[in-house]
Amino acid sequence: KAGVTQTPRYLIKTRGQQVTLSCSPISGHRSVSWYQQTPGQGLQFLFEYFSETQRNKGNFPGRFSGRQFSNSRSEMNVSTLELGDSALYLCASSVGVTGEQFFGPGTRLTVL
Amino acid sequence: DQQVKQNSPSLSVQEGRISILNCDYTNSMFDYFLWYKKYPAEGPTFLISISSIKDKNEDGRFTVFLNKSAKHLSLHIVPSQPGDSAVYFCAASLLGGSEKLVFGKGTKLTVNP
Repeated sequence: KAGVTQTPRYLIKTRGQQVTLSCSPISGHRSVSWYQQTPGQGLQFLFEYFSETQRNKGNFPGRFSGRQFSNSRSEMNVSTLELGDSALYLCASSVGVTGEQFFGPGTRLTVL
Repeated sequence: DQQVKQNSPSLSVQEGRISILNCDYTNSMFDYFLWYKKYPAEGPTFLISISSIKDKNEDGRFTVFLNKSAKHLSLHIVPSQPGDSAVYFCAASLLGGSEKLVFGKGTKLTVNP
């Protein structure tokens, strides 16, 4: 079974721009979660989508948004980028019941 | 407010010995706990989990212990191997089937040959 894939792997943007990250979950997984990893804050939960609906949301500003498509693929969007948004963004998929989440390799976003 | 804490940023052990990684949590509503391993430039890899109704779960060289009264869990790796060198994250999830994981900040394990 193919794992979770994320594209692109690396991105460089400038302040004020917006960015869209993509995640393809493991086949059959209906839940997709997004996390931000920074050296200071560690891994922090952004949001989770299940069957195209946002089911959980973390404590991030409205500039961070996401969506999920009918094939379970998910996108995450960050608008009006700030320097502090530089981070590794990780996507994880699961079957949707409390259990193990399987992570992709992440997208490294650098904001200049 | 850090709900999941890994107080040791790093741990160094000799190959063949036991590695013990610790994790404390503050939220008594957590009912499921997981350990992930992460290598640089890769996403976290699931290792082992434990439900709050158990106090121990084993999978090969990995054993997780849960002490609910102390709000403490630990991961034991026996015997430790150089390939186990990585950052280990403890994570917890809340009641109700939530897929939201709350992570500790990780412990970097180095296993010396």
